[in-house]
Amino acid sequence: GQQVMQIPQYQHVQEGEDFTTYCNSSTTLSNIQWYKQRPGGHPVFLIQLVKSGEVKKQKRLTFQFGEAKKNSSLHITATQTTDVGTYFCAGRSSSNTGKLIFGQGTTLQVKP
Amino acid sequence: DGGITQSPKYLFRKEGQNVTLSCEQNLNHDAMYWYRQDPGQGLRLIYYSQIVNDFQKGDIAEGYSVSREKKESFPLTVTSAQKNPTAFYLCASSIGGTADYEQYFGPGTRLTVT
Repeated sequence: GQQVMQIPQYQHVQEGEDFTTYCNSSTTLSNIQWYKQRPGGHPVFLIQLVKSGEVKKQKRLTFQFGEAKKNSSLHITATQTTDVGTYFCAGRSSSNTGKLIFGQGTTLQVKP
Repeated sequence: DGGITQSPKYLFRKEGQNVTLSCEQNLNHDAMYWYRQDPGQGLRLIYYSQIVNDFQKGDIAEGYSVSREKKESFPLTVTSAQKNPTAFYLCASSIGGTADYEQYFGPGTRLTVT
C-alpha cells in the first residue's frame, strides 16, 4: 500500500542552528500536510501544500512540495527552544480521498 | 469553546475486557477519525467516518469497532481481539469528508492494558 517515509527520525540541534525534515511518498500525492506535536500534546496542523513545486513560508518555517508531488520538506531557520516537538508530514492518498497517510515523524530536540 | 474532547485522558484495563473511548466534537465537522500512536510509528488510521451513519476501516481496524450515530460523536471500542491495545489514541475531525482539509485533534487517551 501507499507509504510515506520521513527522515530523520530524531534530530538534536543547538539553538540557532537550522533544521530540515524530509518526507517521501511511494506514490504521487494529491496534497501534503504538516503537523507539529509538542511533547505530551496532540498534533496541530501547520500547513497544507497542493501544487507541484509549491513553497510556503511561516516566519522561520519553510515548506516545499516536490515537482513530482512525491516528496516534501520542512526547514526551520535558526531553531528556538519553542520549536521542540515531533513534526509529521501527511499525504492524501490519490486512490482514497478520505485518508491521510502519516509519516513516522521527526522528533526535534533543541539545546539552549 | 469549540473543539474536540476525548475522555478519559488515562485509561487502565485488564486483558480480555472491551473498552470504549469517547470522542466528541462541537465544530460541526462532517468527518471524524481515530488514530493510534505508538513510539516511532507515527499515526496509524484505525477507522474514519466521512458522514454520520457511515464509516470505513482504516489501515489497522482489526480488533476495533466504531459507531457514528450522531454527527458530534465517534466512540471507539477496543475489543479483546486487539492483540496489543496499549497505545495513545487520538481522535480528529475535519470540516469536509475528504482528506483535503486540516484535521483537528483531541488531547488523546492513553490506554494501558495489563
